Amino acid sequence: GIQVEQSPPDLILQEGANSTLRCNFSDSVNNLQWFHQNPWGQLINLFYIPSGTKQNGRLSATTVATERYSLLYISSSQTTDSGVYFCAVEANTGNQFYFGTGTSLTVIP
Amino acid sequence: EAQVTQNPRYLITVTGKKLTVTCSQNMNHEYMSWYRQDPGLGLRQIYYSMNVEVTDKGDVPEGYKVSRKEKRNFPLILESPSPNQTSLYFCASSLSPGRGYYEQYFGPGTRLTVT
Repeated sequence: GIQVEQSPPDLILQEGANSTLRCNFSDSVNNLQWFHQNPWGQLINLFYIPSGTKQNGRLSATTVATERYSLLYISSSQTTDSGVYFCAVEANTGNQFYFGTGTSLTVIP
Repeated sequence: EAQVTQNPRYLITVTGKKLTVTCSQNMNHEYMSWYRQDPGLGLRQIYYSMNVEVTDKGDVPEGYKVSRKEKRNFPLILESPSPNQTSLYFCASSLSPGRGYYEQYFGPGTRLTVT
C-alpha cells in the first residue's frame, strides 16, 4: 500500500503563531484530504485537495501532486485548533484510503 | 442534516461474544468504509464497499466481517472479538471514487473495549 508520512509528529504553539504541517506520500494519488480530530475524537473535514491550493479562513492547504506532498498552513493559531491533524490519501491504483499517523498540535494561551 | 451515524458509541464486551456496530448515512453515498484508530498508528482501513453487495478488504480485515445489503447501511461484525480488537472505530462514506469530488465524511466513532 501507499506510505503516508506526516511531520512534525508533535507541535506546541503559542496562541497567535503560524505553523506548517507536512504530508508526504509514496505514490500517485486520486484523493487527498486533511482532517482535524478534536479532543473529543471527532474527525472534521478540513480540505479535499488532490492538487492545487485552497483556503478556508485561517487555514489553507497546498498539494503538489507531482512531488507527492501536501502542506497545511494554520495562521494566527487559536486554542481551539488543538488536536490531531491527519492527512489521508487514496492511491490511484485502487479504492483504498491510507492515513498518516498525524500531527498532534497543542496551542497554549 | 447530512450525517453518518454509528451505534453504539461505547461498548465494553468480553472475548468471544459476537457483536455488531451499525453505520448509517443519509447522503445517498455509494462508498462506505470502516477504520480503526490505535495510538501511534493513525487510522487503518478495515473494509470498504463501493456499492450494494460489493465489499473489499482494506489493510486490516482479519477478525471482521461486513455486509452491504442496503445503500445507506454498512454494519461491522466481530464474530469472536479478542482483546487486540480494542480500539476506536470509525465509519465513513463518500460518493464513489472516480466520480470526481468525493470527500469522505466520518461518523462520531465507536469506542470498543474487549476484556
